[in-house]
Amino acid sequence: SYVLTQPPSVSVAPGQTATITCGGHNIGTNIVHWYQQKPGQAPVLVIYHDTDRPSGIPERFSGANSGNTATLTISGVGVADEADYYCQVWDTSIESWGVFGGGTQLIVL
Amino acid sequence: QVKLVQSGDEVKRPGASVRVSCQASGYTFNNFGITWVRQAPGQGLQWMGWINTQNGDKNSAQILRDRGTMTIDTSTSTVYLELGNLRSDDTAVYFCARCSSTSCYLNSFDRWGQGTRVTVAS
Repeated sequence: SYVLTQPPSVSVAPGQTATITCGGHNIGTNIVHWYQQKPGQAPVLVIYHDTDRPSGIPERFSGANSGNTATLTISGVGVADEADYYCQVWDTSIESWGVFGGGTQLIVL
Repeated sequence: QVKLVQSGDEVKRPGASVRVSCQASGYTFNNFGITWVRQAPGQGLQWMGWINTQNGDKNSAQILRDRGTMTIDTSTSTVYLELGNLRSDDTAVYFCARCSSTSCYLNSFDRWGQGTRVTVAS
């Protein structure tokens, strides 16, 4: 089955830029979605189809996908951005299952 | 507004079954698929399966193929997840989510239910 690899945590100072990676074999040929989850809450979609932002998500959130790595970038990070972030793809093998990365905890120092 | 409201928390014995409901409102139910995702305590998200609310087509991860099912009641815009032969490692919060299209495949999960905590303990 398809495996997505995320760093367990990323730390960034307020106002700086956070970069969260999601590694997978030829992930650049897949479509990547990103979710933010705060403690005790349901996930929220923040990026879909590699680079698109749902309405209501700040422009500070952006995505990219190429080669073996997809990236979620959050510029001007604030305390409100502290959360777990998950990448998600669909395994395009015969099973067509959904797959999540292990999640990255964003820590704002 | 779009809402997905799930049933209340459950406590079950090992070997029992549980049914979790997800009632949708605020949009045309048949136009968007529904997916199920669970999260064990302190762990990440695990995809379980999705169902096409228009024609009932499904695709399930192995756990649902082995021990569960998803069903639809279009009269109440409700999707059900049933999981049987529960084990302690099924203890998790179970989320339903709306897919951004009728087919969930390749699409994102754009609205989520509040989650249902299922605890399996003797």
